Amino acid sequence: LAKTTQPISMDSYEGQEVNITCSHNNIATNDYITWYQQFPSQGPRFIIQGYKTKVTNEVASLFIPADRKSSTLSLPRVSLSDTAVYYCLVGASNSGNTPLVFGKGTRLSVIA
Amino acid sequence: GAVVSQHPSRVICKSGTSVKIECRSLDFQATTMFWYRQFPKQSLMLMATSNEGSKATYEQGVEKDKFLINHASLTLSTLTVTSAHPEDSSFYICSATRGTGRDTEAFFGQGTRLTVV
Repeated sequence: LAKTTQPISMDSYEGQEVNITCSHNNIATNDYITWYQQFPSQGPRFIIQGYKTKVTNEVASLFIPADRKSSTLSLPRVSLSDTAVYYCLVGASNSGNTPLVFGKGTRLSVIA
Repeated sequence: GAVVSQHPSRVICKSGTSVKIECRSLDFQATTMFWYRQFPKQSLMLMATSNEGSKATYEQGVEKDKFLINHASLTLSTLTVTSAHPEDSSFYICSATRGTGRDTEAFFGQGTRLTVV
């Protein structure tokens, strides 16, 4: 599995857009990029997944450049409830037998 | 709603006793489930892969005789922490994957906070 690098922590004020970038220089051709969110004392929750270009859902957007060596999770107009740890994972999305390997994640703190 | 359910969410036990944690896939069958452990302010660490009908596969450094895993059905995996000690206090999380190919998605249980006193 490709190794990922993310900022350890980020702070933001409510209502701002937050962009968290993840580096994955060794991403393989069949690897997908997936982001998870984890609140304290809860299991991780799927946010978004993409392979290339841009993916958007009701929660976030994921921007992936052409070389796919990095990706950026964009959270529009964050609120206090978005305070959590965000994990970027890279791996093949075609097998239920392969575990997800978590990096250190980015601890986002949203301030009123 | 939750598609992977974990029970109990919180347990306190005395040193030397054993604790069983259940992980259920609610609306799909999972031949494989995964168990993670998470210490405060740290990331999830994979402990073992639970395989229905066969032995679990443990990550390096995880004692298989201490962390017993049973995957007796396609919707239930259990993790038993045997002879628990205070250093086993942690947040235990299970996961299971639903779907195949590009529609594969991993779901996580709510986690179990184990405190050994």
